[in-house]
Amino acid sequence: DAKTTQPNSMESNEEEPVHLPCNHSTISGTDYIHWYRQLPSQGPEYVIHGLTSNVNNRMASLAIAEDRKSSTLILHRATLRDAAVYYCILIKRIQGAQKLVFGQGTRLTINP
Amino acid sequence: GAVVSQHPSRVICKSGTSVKIECRSLDFQATTMFWYRQFPKQSLMLMATSNEGSKATYEQGVEKDKFLINHASLTLSTLTVTSAHPEDSSFYICSALGQVSNEQFFGPGTRLTVL
Repeated sequence: DAKTTQPNSMESNEEEPVHLPCNHSTISGTDYIHWYRQLPSQGPEYVIHGLTSNVNNRMASLAIAEDRKSSTLILHRATLRDAAVYYCILIKRIQGAQKLVFGQGTRLTINP
Repeated sequence: GAVVSQHPSRVICKSGTSVKIECRSLDFQATTMFWYRQFPKQSLMLMATSNEGSKATYEQGVEKDKFLINHASLTLSTLTVTSAHPEDSSFYICSALGQVSNEQFFGPGTRLTVL
């Protein structure tokens, strides 16, 4: 299975943009790039996903490199509530139950 | 949106007792649910895949006789930690697979402390 690599931690200031990188150099053509985040003492929550094109939703934007070997999750204006561990996960583009393999993720700290 | 609940949210028990954790999909049916375990400062680790009406599939290294999984209906899966010991203390999280989007929806987690 293709693996993802993320920095262990990042820090940013409130109301500033945050760019969270993820490397997935062994990604295959059937892999979707998913991002989840886990707030303290809670289960993970879905953030965004994409395949080739950049994606935007109410929570974040996802920028995918042209070769798909890396992607960046963008929080346009961080708030204190965005402090969480962010996980970048590859999920195969096939129907049916698929296991999610969580790496260590990036622990994002937001300073007031 | 799809909501998954877990009960209880927190449980403290004595060593040697069994503890049952429920995972429910509240507004959708889930033929597949997943159980994860998370130790402090670590990532989630998949324990097993729970399929409605059939036996669960356990990940390597997870004892099926210790962690009993029952998925008796399309909205409920249960995880029973049998003869719990302090090393079983952890944060247990379930997820349910959406029927349309193939997305996993996570429960809020259950914190188990074994004394």
